[in-house]
Amino acid sequence: QSVLTQPPSVSAAPGQKVTISCSGSSSNIGKNYVSWYQQFPGTAPKLLIYENNKRPSGIPDRFSGSKSGTSGTLGITGLQTGDEADYYCGTWDSSLNAGVFGGGTKLTVL
Amino acid sequence: QVQLQESGPGLVKPSETLSLTCTVSGGSVTSGRFYWNWIRQPPGKGLEWIGYIYYDGTTNYNPSLKSRVTISVDTSKNHFSLNLSSVTAADTAVYYCAREPNSSSWLDFDCWGQGTLVTVSS
Repeated sequence: QSVLTQPPSVSAAPGQKVTISCSGSSSNIGKNYVSWYQQFPGTAPKLLIYENNKRPSGIPDRFSGSKSGTSGTLGITGLQTGDEADYYCGTWDSSLNAGVFGGGTKLTVL
Repeated sequence: QVQLQESGPGLVKPSETLSLTCTVSGGSVTSGRFYWNWIRQPPGKGLEWIGYIYYDGTTNYNPSLKSRVTISVDTSKNHFSLNLSSVTAADTAVYYCAREPNSSSWLDFDCWGQGTLVTVSS
């Protein structure tokens, strides 16, 4: 059971927008930045969002992040079939003194 | 452009020690700009942070694995290593090494190895 809680799956049509939530607590998301990763089957995760809402170079602005209280949210607009992947949130837990991830969300673009 | 590459046995017997190495190319493990991490992912499951090492040898481990984990760095070979002792089938996973910038935030892994599957079985 993961420290951070994500919905197991989300789906939306091509061109639409989807959001993925990541729920934590005051010791993790409530105190620290949230990161988001995209993972295709058989490949390593790729950093999409860091420090809640910043995008690394090369990540399209269709991907956005936000944080409010003890929850983070990943938003993806203009959905493409190529966005079908697993998405993970991550942060530091100051009580555990450890990095923690969500259980992952599978995005299906219908 | 920095690249990370994991290497080590793909099969380990129960109760033995899992040993992996992550070789860094295009960059240096002695850079104070980064932390060097290990992360694993059991088949069909989510990510689990194992721990990190800094260039000066400072380490931090996941409390759930701390009693069994050692991460070390070899600056002469520009690589860092993971040892996980007393393994069981629950340690079967794809093991990734990853680089994390030394900044105000954590878990910003901006560069990953391709991952290596380690199976624990007799």
